[in-house]
Amino acid sequence: DTGVSQDPRHKITKRGQNVTFRCDPISEHNRLYWYRQTLGQGPEFLTYFQNEAQLEKSRLLSDRFSAERPKGSFSTLEIQRTEQGDSAMYLCASSIPEGQGLQWTGNTIYFGEGSWLTVV
Amino acid sequence: GEDVEQSLFLSVREGDSSVINCTYTDSSSTYLYWYKQEPGAGLQLLTYIFSNMDMKQDQRLTVLLNKKDKHLSLRIADTQTGDSAIYFCAETAKPTGTASKLTFGTGTRLQVTL
Repeated sequence: DTGVSQDPRHKITKRGQNVTFRCDPISEHNRLYWYRQTLGQGPEFLTYFQNEAQLEKSRLLSDRFSAERPKGSFSTLEIQRTEQGDSAMYLCASSIPEGQGLQWTGNTIYFGEGSWLTVV
Repeated sequence: GEDVEQSLFLSVREGDSSVINCTYTDSSSTYLYWYKQEPGAGLQLLTYIFSNMDMKQDQRLTVLLNKKDKHLSLRIADTQTGDSAIYFCAETAKPTGTASKLTFGTGTRLQVTL
């Protein structure tokens, strides 16, 4: 399977514990995104990497959240001191390189199967 | 800011056509996407359209874009029970920096009945 891979698929944790999710993007995709989706809602953007650089973070990403992509390949999303409001599906996505400036041609963004987090 | 709206629910009979509608507010939207999500699963990219197009067809899927009204629709011909899922409309604008994140609607749940 050469799609976006996420692990674990499901995680149940007690409030106050730390959790970490891993994402392996499609190979050669230099852009990697994290989104969060709560029940009945569409996904919301959390953060974005181009190679190893974290270039944008949403205000939804509180200081308890940290994302890394140390070698520009896989990424991790850690949530510290989890709260019940963190219960959601965390989606990772990746995209192909695209042109810049006037040559920008947009990109197609491919999503993984998501990691479900339940905080009890 | 950007806003994308969709109706919540659509029910159609197997074999009929389904039309799922979406409106967006960002006039700088450049690419518009349709994703499908089955229960408990991630998002599957179905199709996308560039803002300088008004129609795109891909097998049973037809996307219509009315840029003046900021209205996007997805038509599924000969709807099958396997098409039952939530369909998300999403948009992205030409990046002013380097990000090109998606803004999603709340999704339309398509129910296909026999």
